[in-house]
Amino acid sequence: DIVMTQSPLSLPVTPGEPASISCRSSQSLLRSDGYNSLSWYLQKPGHSPQLLIYLGSNRASGVPDRFSGSGSGTDFTLKISRVEAEDVGVYYCMQALQSPITFGPGTKVDIK
Amino acid sequence: EVQLVESGGGLVQPGGSLRLSCAASEFTFTNYWMGWVRQAPGKGLEWVANVVEDGSRKFYLDSVKGRFTISRDNGKNSVDLQMNSLRPEDSGLYYCARATDARYDVWGQGTLVTVSS
Repeated sequence: DIVMTQSPLSLPVTPGEPASISCRSSQSLLRSDGYNSLSWYLQKPGHSPQLLIYLGSNRASGVPDRFSGSGSGTDFTLKISRVEAEDVGVYYCMQALQSPITFGPGTKVDIK
Repeated sequence: EVQLVESGGGLVQPGGSLRLSCAASEFTFTNYWMGWVRQAPGKGLEWVANVVEDGSRKFYLDSVKGRFTISRDNGKNSVDLQMNSLRPEDSGLYYCARATDARYDVWGQGTLVTVSS
């Protein structure tokens, strides 16, 4: 199974400041078509997860442009250029290159 | 509005069975894989199962193989998860999700399963 790790696991943030979350996979997620099978989700308190980034670096529909994804192979990063209060919650990365699909442990983002 | 609505959760004793259902609306159901993802209380997300567009192939988490069965009815735009031989560690919120090209882009609100005596 592909193991997903995230760091940090807890991230206190200041509104208006940038934030960054790292995700690493135990195997390369790079497909033969050049895309990475890596997506990012945000689960706000009391809500279902929502898709933020897919194929490593593509923003999902309706996601603000302050969110960006980068990386390839085994190392990926989610960046928030200027954190807003509504961005609090738990962020998960997920690989779907091979079954079983696996998620990272989650990074809890809250306001300092 | 594209929507997934789960139902069927509840309290069941260890060893018992439960059938979860997910009703899809406002999208072409037959164009998508569908899946179930669960979340134990206070824990992270765990993938459970996927089914391809026509239902011919199914994929399962090892710990549920032989106990859970995912199925879909493309005439009714629904996907089910039949859960047998339930264990306390199967407890949690079960989300139905739409899958497309290595991501889940639409999620339901979840249905709660509690396995306890």
